[in-house]
Amino acid sequence: KNEVEQSPQNLTAQEGEFITINCSYSVGISALHWLQQHPGGGIVSLFMLSSGKKKHGRLIATINIQEKHSSLHITASHPRDSAVYICAVWFNNDMRFGAGTRLTVKP
Amino acid sequence: DAGVIQSPRHEVTEMGQEVTLRCKPISGHNSLFWYRQTMMRGLELLIYFNNNVPIDDSGMPEDRFSAKMPNASFSTLKIQPSEPRDSAVYFCASSFAGAGELFFGEGSRLTVL
Repeated sequence: KNEVEQSPQNLTAQEGEFITINCSYSVGISALHWLQQHPGGGIVSLFMLSSGKKKHGRLIATINIQEKHSSLHITASHPRDSAVYICAVWFNNDMRFGAGTRLTVKP
Repeated sequence: DAGVIQSPRHEVTEMGQEVTLRCKPISGHNSLFWYRQTMMRGLELLIYFNNNVPIDDSGMPEDRFSAKMPNASFSTLKIQPSEPRDSAVYFCASSFAGAGELFFGEGSRLTVL
């Protein structure tokens, strides 16, 4: 059983569209990370959340601890946002990853 | 700061050979993580260190894998003997405090023939 489920697996959007990627988990966590992996393979940490909401530029991340759910939103999407977005959770001194959401933003 | 530095970036070796991957974390960070990424299994946490001490190595696949952190600025992940199923990209990351923001190296792509 995968403790971390992401949806959708793949997402294609037109430039300018509002994007939402979802992450659900089944365990009690101490923190949740949103990671971005570009086609070249490098991984960048976008957010680390334990409660509430964070915003950085066009990206917004929210987490609902009671519902065990987090969302990553991208406003005014751009082709450079095309990447794989990965949700990861910390629990019991361990880290588990979602399978990732592949986002393609077309001009 | 130069960020997390991993070496080598690419390694091709033959089955049975010893492989050593290296990582230099960001100065001042006290947590270091080793991950493996494959197409089949995605990202997996192998082991992590807090203040140079291994905290959880339950993700290490088997005894062929070992990791050390002799000081705050250097860590190694060793595979001996290597097998074709070890082929993957191995990432190192560091953070200030265990569950803090992660900073990833560029990864070491290992191919075992």
